[in-house]
Amino acid sequence: GQQLNQSPQSMFIQEGEDVSMNCTSSSIFNTWLWYKQEPGEGPVLLIALYKAGELTSNGRLTAQFGITRKDSFLNISASIPSDVGIYFCAGPILAQKLVFGQGTRLTINP
Amino acid sequence: GAGVSQTPSNKVTEKGKYVELRCDPISGHTALYWYRQSLGQGPEFLIYFQGTGAADDSGLPNDRFFAVRPEGSVSTLKIQRTERGDSAVYLCASSYTLNTEAFFGQGTRLTVV
Repeated sequence: GQQLNQSPQSMFIQEGEDVSMNCTSSSIFNTWLWYKQEPGEGPVLLIALYKAGELTSNGRLTAQFGITRKDSFLNISASIPSDVGIYFCAGPILAQKLVFGQGTRLTINP
Repeated sequence: GAGVSQTPSNKVTEKGKYVELRCDPISGHTALYWYRQSLGQGPEFLIYFQGTGAADDSGLPNDRFFAVRPEGSVSTLKIQRTERGDSAVYLCASSYTLNTEAFFGQGTRLTVV
């Protein structure tokens, strides 16, 4: 089946640093979604991308929909402790079914 | 309620037992989804309801898994003859309609011992 590959799998950074992570697929997606999951909670949608080449921001978060439609990138600027969590990319296979990457775990040292 | 509610939060059961996991979607949401998340992995699709009917159950791993949504609101995921490999977090999500943002519940952590 379709798979999304996220990298890196984990990141250990200092507070205030910028963060970059990406997600790639062997198949084309028409929508890319980025979620954040904190311990004991379900994923929460951060950013949705609908058009190849699109660059969208949500506060300190910026995500891009790759031109090839096979990749997407998420950047977090000036990280703060509450950014800690697992970040997932996801794309829809048919309208009702999301496929998720395996996640990037972000840890921040104060 | 304000969000998707799942009960119980945690469930420990013995191998071979039957379990039911409940999901209360956001009021007015017609679409409901079940996902399973194994440790260190992203969620994996199980089943999707539009109203009362299971429109896509292609993600259910085998016939031990079944889900219902009899009145188009609350849904129950049922697992028969549980196996240790069924241990995971089971996530429910709902959306107003298909193609609108889906909101996830906090999940039910199932442990089969």
